[in-house]
Amino acid sequence: DADVTQTPRNRITKTGKRIMLECSQTKGHDRMYWYRQDPGLGLRLIYYSFDVKDINKGEISDGYSVSRQAQAKFSLSLESAIPNQTALYFCATSDRTSGNTDTQYFGPGTRLTVL
Amino acid sequence: AQSVAQPEDQVNVAEGNPLTVKCTYSVSGNPYLFWYVQYPNRGLQFLLKYITGDNLVKGSYGFEAEFNKSQTSFHLKKPSALVSDSALYFCAVRDIGTGGFKTIFGAGTRLFVKA
Repeated sequence: DADVTQTPRNRITKTGKRIMLECSQTKGHDRMYWYRQDPGLGLRLIYYSFDVKDINKGEISDGYSVSRQAQAKFSLSLESAIPNQTALYFCATSDRTSGNTDTQYFGPGTRLTVL
Repeated sequence: AQSVAQPEDQVNVAEGNPLTVKCTYSVSGNPYLFWYVQYPNRGLQFLLKYITGDNLVKGSYGFEAEFNKSQTSFHLKKPSALVSDSALYFCAVRDIGTGGFKTIFGAGTRLFVKA
């Protein structure tokens, strides 16, 4: 979905390096999410934010941090990357006015490789 | 705790034949159920959702899904498969009974449609 963009699309880094993945959206949604996708495991939630002042841990937040710089921007950081953080990372958004139905709209993903 | 299972890693079907991709779920309350599709090098795209009402839900690209409360299933179906339907399909569930918001994704089923 072109309304949700992620940068970079691909990144190769070394163990111990700090990495930031960025997500921007033009959908006007207030809720934003970060997931990682691993083969055979589906998507797992790392962090989510319901508005600029609301940040919450997901099921696998260890080793990650986030920043919600504005309603449209949500960044994911790996403070000290390790090889088992090699994965495909997705940003997603949803609209609070949709209530609890929470249909999510995904960015194209960032493929991260940690050597 | 809520969970979702997709028992098949891969489904193979000939073009023109009907297809079914299976999904079962476990929640403590009433579920919201979703299907998403992921094409190569793309993020997930919303296909359809069940919130309440008619057990048969129609979605994008001719797909439909049937909610079966007694069997706790939400199988994705299409009467006539196309080669272009080949993709990775994810079932997801949100348990509204617990008041939580998190959407849990299954591991995904790869659909391969042969011409």
